Amino acid sequence: QVQLVQSGAEVKKPGASVKVSCKTSGSTFTNYYMHWVRQTPGQGLEWMGVISPSGDSTTYEQNFQGRITMTRDTSTSTDYMELSTLRSEDTAVYYCAALSPGHYYFDYWGQGSLVTVSS
Amino acid sequence: QSALTQPRSVSGSPGQSVTISCTGTSSDVGGYNYVSWYQKHPGKAPKLMIYDVIKRPSGVPDRFSGSKSGNTASLTISGLQPEDEADYYCCSYAGNFRRVFGGGTKVTVL
Repeated sequence: QVQLVQSGAEVKKPGASVKVSCKTSGSTFTNYYMHWVRQTPGQGLEWMGVISPSGDSTTYEQNFQGRITMTRDTSTSTDYMELSTLRSEDTAVYYCAALSPGHYYFDYWGQGSLVTVSS
Repeated sequence: QSALTQPRSVSGSPGQSVTISCTGTSSDVGGYNYVSWYQKHPGKAPKLMIYDVIKRPSGVPDRFSGSKSGNTASLTISGLQPEDEADYYCCSYAGNFRRVFGGGTKVTVL
């Protein structure tokens, strides 16, 4: 059974950066594309971007271009999403979501990581 | 990329049917048969309910069904149950690995 386990909650000041991790277990790590999705308080889900199974390709939502970096460490089966220049509007629960090649839907989700941006 | 348009809320009594629409453009919903629907309870991760417009994962009750016409996809819950009360989100492939979500619909069981 595939499991995605994310890092814990974080509190950051405006202008700082946050790096959220997502560790895959139960299956071959390099089988999956890893997407990141966030939910701001009282709002809906927002797609942020995706990293390829090999980690050599990323696609980001235009709204986050220049502020977001997705990486993966195949030695530890861990994905990372770093968001910089944080503002209060980035307060949200961030999810990683795995997608198998050939699938166009999210097969597995992490439990979510709350990031609070506050001075 | 603009969010897909969903009604903010729908409601129905137990046993009734409700339908949630999800309207996009020819660049997303209308351009691909890759719309999925997710059920979300507060504090929980989303759960896949429908994929590829009409397909239902194993374990999802058959009262959930999906369809699409043009740029609008729909999720129908037939025979509404109290446990169906949740937020529902549509998601479409939008080309070049991109995805776009709908704004979400709150389903209330009266």
